[in-house]
Amino acid sequence: QKEVEQNSGPLSVPEGAIASLNCTYSDRGSQSFFWYRQYSGKSPELIMSIYSNGDKEDGRFTAQLNKASQYVSLLIRDSQPSDSATYLCAATPLLNAGNNRKLIWGLGTSLAVNP
Amino acid sequence: EAQVTQNPRYLITVTGKKLTVTCSQNMNHEYMSWYRQDPGLGLRQIYYSMNVEVTDKGDVPEGYKVSRKEKRNFPLILESPSPNQTSLYFCASSKSGSHDNSPLHFGNGTRLTVT
Repeated sequence: QKEVEQNSGPLSVPEGAIASLNCTYSDRGSQSFFWYRQYSGKSPELIMSIYSNGDKEDGRFTAQLNKASQYVSLLIRDSQPSDSATYLCAATPLLNAGNNRKLIWGLGTSLAVNP
Repeated sequence: EAQVTQNPRYLITVTGKKLTVTCSQNMNHEYMSWYRQDPGLGLRQIYYSMNVEVTDKGDVPEGYKVSRKEKRNFPLILESPSPNQTSLYFCASSKSGSHDNSPLHFGNGTRLTVT
């Protein structure tokens, strides 16, 4: 069973701090990794994607991928109250039946940024 | 504006009364998919479509039907809704169903309550 695991949280950080969100995956052949942000009752919104080992930065967000450890993380610098949401980690396995682009989703980590 | 449009946003119905949730995308995406999201269970794929006239079951297809007669539309049909289908539903699309790393774009969601 291919899995993506996240700590459910809540992760609470003060405004201006760095929030660190972590995700592990079981399928060593996973190719692509995505971080989505989801506000309560709203749809998931893509924050970052990462495909190669190392870091990828976009504004206040940095995604980190370590395929050897099967670990992907998201760092949010200068956290703002508006960053308070659930962050979903997703992975694309190497092979799916019928080429279904079926993402394997984690259950998400709830982040609370306190003013 | 590039978007995935779902309707209705909210729907309350009774057991057994057939309903359709519409989904339309204006990005000429080949791949479309339906998810349901429930507390503690995360996002679960119901059905997906690799292209026009090509649909297949996801993880939780029981009680649902779909069709893909046109590239832009992918309606979700509940022939005889039951209370266990009360959930938050999302339609999503991406450029391709193969492993080209293109991200999923989500609709705004439909909150369905079956009494």
